[in-house]
Parts: sequence; C-alpha cells; structure tokens
Amino acid sequence: GQQVMQIPQYQHVQEGEDFTTYCNSSTTLSNIQWYKQRPGGHPVFLIQLVKSGEVKKQKRLTFQFGEAKKNSSLHITATQTTDVGTYFCAVNTGNQFYFGTGTSLTVIP
Amino acid sequence: DTAVSQTPKYLVTQMGNDKSIKCEQNLGHDTMYWYKQDSKKFLKIMFSYNNKELIINETVPNRFSPKSPDKAHLNLHINSLELGDSAVYFCASTTTGGAYEQYFGPGTRLTVT
Repeated sequence: GQQVMQIPQYQHVQEGEDFTTYCNSSTTLSNIQWYKQRPGGHPVFLIQLVKSGEVKKQKRLTFQFGEAKKNSSLHITATQTTDVGTYFCAVNTGNQFYFGTGTSLTVIP
Repeated sequence: DTAVSQTPKYLVTQMGNDKSIKCEQNLGHDTMYWYKQDSKKFLKIMFSYNNKELIINETVPNRFSPKSPDKAHLNLHINSLELGDSAVYFCASTTTGGAYEQYFGPGTRLTVT
C-alpha cells in the first residue's frame, strides 16, 4: 500500500512561534489532504491539494504541494493555543485513504 | 444534525467477550471505513466498504468483521476481545469516484481489561 511519512512526530512551540509539518512519499501522489484532530476529538478535513506546486492558504495556515507531487507541507504562522492537536496528511487513491503518521503540536502559552 | 455518528462512545469490557460498535452516516455517501487509532495516534485503516466491494486490511485479525445492513450503516463486530484491541475506533465515510474528503465519526474508546 501507499507509504506516507510525516515529520516531526511531535513539536512543542511557544505561542506566537511558527510551526511546519512535512509529508513525504516515495511515489508520485495524485492528491494530498490535510486533517486536524483536536485532543479527544476526531480528524477533521482541512484542505486538499491536487496540482503540482500548488499553494493554498487558510488564514494563518499555508499548505503546499511539491513540484514533483511527492511531498507536502503545512505551515502555521504565529501559533495560537487553538492550534493544538495532531495534524495528518492523507492520500486518497480512489477507494482507499492512506494517512501519514501525524504530527502532534503542543503550543505553550 | 450529526453527519457520522457512532455508538457507544465508550466501551469497557473484559477479555474474551464479543462486542459491536455501530456507525451511521446521513450524508448519502457510498463508502464507509473503520479505523483504529492507537495511543501513539497512528490511524490504521481496517476496512473500507461500499455496496460493491469490501476491502480488508490484511493485517486485521479475522476476529474483526464489518457488517453493513444498508448503505448508511457499517457496524464493527469484534470476537474474543484481547488486551491489544484497546484503542479508539473511528468510523468514516466519503463519496468515491473522485478525490473527496472523509468525514469521521466521534470515535469509540474501547478498553479491554
């Protein structure tokens, strides 16, 4: 099956600092999705990228799809305590989803 | 209105018992999934199912079986529960035929003692 690696596994930041999580694959991806899971909650869809080099923004969140469509990143500018949670990338192959290992973000007030 | 619902939210049971977790979606989706999330937060897909095809992750023990009475429901039945089955189980649904996102249920925290 599809292998999607995510780094780092854990990240602690001071409130106001930036945060980035990376998703990498050895094969070309048709798309990449990002999900956020708050502590005690369930994964919630954030965004999908499909085009090579695509960049999308949602307020303080910037999502990027690599030119070779083998990697993606999620960058949060000036983190807030509401950003706490685990961020997952995922690949949809049509009838299967493959999730990355997730990055757990802790924001220290 | 809850899009994807699961019951129960918490389930505590003893080793060797058989239990079921129910999942319902009211989104009109044609594909449903079960995931297991361990203490390290890894999301492992167990099954995906639509009215045409059941895809089983080959690493899932055959003690686990999905049962779908209709398109809106996908229940998970677990026989002879083991300590290692303790985890949070998520149901999810989506529409196939395109790169659509998944909608997750709130999860069922299963504790086997």
